[in-house]
Amino acid sequence: AQTVTQSQPEMSVQEAETVTLSCTYDTSESDYYLFWYKQPPSRQMILVIRQEAYKQQNATENRFSVNFQKAAKSFSLKISDSQLGDAAMYFCAYRRSRTSGSRLTFGEGTQLTVNP
Amino acid sequence: GAVVSQHPSWVICKSGTSVKIECRSLDFQATTMFWYRQFPKQSLMLMATSNEGSKATYEQGVEKDKFLINHASLTLSTLTVTSAHPEDSSFYICSAPRGGELFFGEGSRLTVL
Repeated sequence: AQTVTQSQPEMSVQEAETVTLSCTYDTSESDYYLFWYKQPPSRQMILVIRQEAYKQQNATENRFSVNFQKAAKSFSLKISDSQLGDAAMYFCAYRRSRTSGSRLTFGEGTQLTVNP
Repeated sequence: GAVVSQHPSWVICKSGTSVKIECRSLDFQATTMFWYRQFPKQSLMLMATSNEGSKATYEQGVEKDKFLINHASLTLSTLTVTSAHPEDSSFYICSAPRGGELFFGEGSRLTVL
């Protein structure tokens, strides 16, 4: 079974600084997707970034980027120039294949606080 | 982007009653939808996969008779919590896949008194 581990229950960062959230996963599959979701106090799940396992290039979305290390099964999220609106719970997630019907497995989450 | 809507957002019910939560894909069709449960400050735990035209697939440990799932059409899945008890109080979230991505509803907070 696939597992996703986030070892940092809480993180904090100063506004405008950079923070990295860690995620490791375990799978025997070779074809899969990895995601970072943000859940603000509203509880609405928001997709931050996604990475296809077959792509070597790390995904980037504006201030958000990932460090995808397939051999190490590591998928960290870097938030640059942190903003107050980045404060939220962040979940790392894994999906087994490109089939859209495949379910997501979530990590435990990391609560990010942004200090002004 | 695709939109998934849940209703109601909040529901309070008495112990022993049943509560139905709806999940709709507003601008796309979904043959599969997923139902998650989330306790405060915890992760999302998959409860079941809703399949249009067939029975739902439940995760281990989830009571099928307690959490009834019906995928009535290509745009609607419902979760009914039957004979609700205080321990069923939680945040329930649905999601639907489209184009390789999962879209989430706003969630439904259930409080059982």
